Amino acid sequence: KAGVTQTPRYLIKTRGQQVTLSCSPISGHRSVSWYQQTPGQGLQFLFEYFSETQRNKGNFPGRFSGRQFSNSRSEMNVSTLELGDSALYLCASSSPQGREQGVAKNIQYFGAGTRLSVL
Amino acid sequence: DQQVKQNSPSLSVQEGRISILNCDYTNSMFDYFLWYKKYPAEGPTFLISISSIKDKNEDGRFTVFLNKSAKHLSLHIVPSQPGDSAVYFCAARPIVGGSIYKLTFGKGTLLTVNP
Repeated sequence: KAGVTQTPRYLIKTRGQQVTLSCSPISGHRSVSWYQQTPGQGLQFLFEYFSETQRNKGNFPGRFSGRQFSNSRSEMNVSTLELGDSALYLCASSSPQGREQGVAKNIQYFGAGTRLSVL
Repeated sequence: DQQVKQNSPSLSVQEGRISILNCDYTNSMFDYFLWYKKYPAEGPTFLISISSIKDKNEDGRFTVFLNKSAKHLSLHIVPSQPGDSAVYFCAARPIVGGSIYKLTFGKGTLLTVNP
């Protein structure tokens, strides 16, 4: 099975611009999550989509948005870019893996990320 | 408020010895814990997980221990190999419904295994 694919791998933008990042999940996975990784804050959850609906959201401003298509592919958009948006953006896909004595098991598999630099 | 903490930014061990990476959490609603390894320019790779109903899980050279009362987990790598050199992230997931897909990560520990 192919892994999680993120495009593009690298992006350079200037302040005020907007950017769209793309993620193709592992075949059969319907949940797609997005994370931002920065040196100071580590990996932070942005949002999660399942069956084209945003199911969970992290503590990021409204400039960060996303969507999911019927084939489970997802896009993330950042509008009015700021210098602080420079980061590695990671996408992860997941599928339920049953339960172990009542505890739901699920593992998220990550793509290689998109490195965004805002100048 | 950091709910998952990895207090050691870095760790250096000799090849063949044991590596022990530690992680503490504060949220009692976490019921599933995962360890990921990350090389530069790559995404995190899943290593091993443990649910809150267990206190130990093994997979080859990797063992994760969970102490719920102390809200502490550790990853043991035995024997350590130079290829294990990477940043290791501890992650936790809450019990509550659909939020099982929302992982909270620690800031990572850079493990260096010296030949």
